[in-house]
Amino acid sequence: NAGVTQTPKFQVLKTGQSMTLQCAQDMNHNSMYWYRQDPGMGLRLIYYSASEGTTDKGEVPNGYNVSRLNKREFSLRLESAAPSQTSVYFCASSGREGGYNEQFFGPGTRLTVL
Amino acid sequence: EDKVVQSPLSLVVHEGDTVTLNCSYEVTNFRSLLWYKQEKKAPTFLFMLTSSGIEKKSGRLSSILDKKELFSILNITATQTGDSAVYLCAQPPSGTYKYIFGTGTRLKVLA
Repeated sequence: NAGVTQTPKFQVLKTGQSMTLQCAQDMNHNSMYWYRQDPGMGLRLIYYSASEGTTDKGEVPNGYNVSRLNKREFSLRLESAAPSQTSVYFCASSGREGGYNEQFFGPGTRLTVL
Repeated sequence: EDKVVQSPLSLVVHEGDTVTLNCSYEVTNFRSLLWYKQEKKAPTFLFMLTSSGIEKKSGRLSSILDKKELFSILNITATQTGDSAVYLCAQPPSGTYKYIFGTGTRLKVLA
């Protein structure tokens, strides 16, 4: 039982490049989330997926797109990276049968955009 | 609007001290309150407090929930340098699917 996994762990991009961050969970959770965390700052929600087949914007969706590929996988895409997107990105999941309680986080992807 | 406020923002103590971290919340439909510890990586889950379980304890860490006054505290006794981290308080979704996180308390424990 790996929990929430993310790839890659580190990435350096040049301005304008694109990339996709991958996330998978093996806890049979319904909901999945993407957050970003800037140095010394709190977590900010980018997008979330309440259940397979649905996605919704969070607080800071501009410049990102997401895909809920199936119940396990939720990817985050940067179409044209900008230096302002330099951050640590966390994927999370929640939602066992019976309720939405603890949220579990992946190890994070540290992204630098030059 | 649902919100979570943590205090203090930061705290510096010496090993062996006891610390108390505060979390107050306003939520339309209370379900539970969550505490996380974040070192230089992803947040890790510590406790969940619900209406039916208003006190939790794990080793030197304990937490209580006051549903009447809408706050929770996290206590750490006999602090160690390994307790240095940001401690986050969060509300699970209520009416939406979004978790509401506080900005955290940054704890530094000096040897």
